[in-house]
Amino acid sequence: EAGVVQSPRYKIIEKKQPVAFWCNPISGHNTLYWYRQNLGQGPELLIRYENEEAVDDSQLPKDRFSAERLKGVDSTLKIQPAELGDSAVYLCASSPRGRVFTEAFFGQGTRLTVV
Amino acid sequence: RKEVEQDPGPFNVPEGATVAFNCTYSNSASQSFFWYRQDCRKEPKLLMSVYSSGNEDGRFTAQLNRASQYISLLIRDSKLSDSATYLCVIEASGGSYIPTFGRGTSLIVHP
Repeated sequence: EAGVVQSPRYKIIEKKQPVAFWCNPISGHNTLYWYRQNLGQGPELLIRYENEEAVDDSQLPKDRFSAERLKGVDSTLKIQPAELGDSAVYLCASSPRGRVFTEAFFGQGTRLTVV
Repeated sequence: RKEVEQDPGPFNVPEGATVAFNCTYSNSASQSFFWYRQDCRKEPKLLMSVYSSGNEDGRFTAQLNRASQYISLLIRDSKLSDSATYLCVIEASGGSYIPTFGRGTSLIVHP
């Protein structure tokens, strides 16, 4: 069974430029998470989807970050414009059961560097 | 006080040693507890859930202390392959069920 697929794996952009990350969750998983992980820190939740509905987005910086999950499958996370402090690894995870985090499976992440 | 706190380490132990990590949490409404393992430049992967009665999986034992609000992970007979960062995850109930990660504890097992 294919795992969570994220692309790109690496991205280097200049500050003030836009960037987008894509995530394809495990087939059949209704819950999708976007996390941000800074060096030496644990992942921080940005947004959680149940199917196509964003159920937890209180920690998403809405002035520059946006996310969507059309048709309740693939998801994209966008930053516009990017700032130096956005450099981090962006992780996508999916879970087969709503509100049960234990079964979340992570993708390999997108490592973003803003210069 | 942070919601979830872990000693970042590193814990540097020889092969065969027993090592234990703690993770404290501030929200007394927390209901779900987990340990994840993250290898260098890799994604986190579930190691084990933590049940109220404690649970064991081979060389790994996880325990929950609700009174003192912490969970623990004990690794016996450490292997070189146990070298990784161990992240605790706490999920509160009664609201948005946001799973919160600790910053992780780094373990280095040496020959």
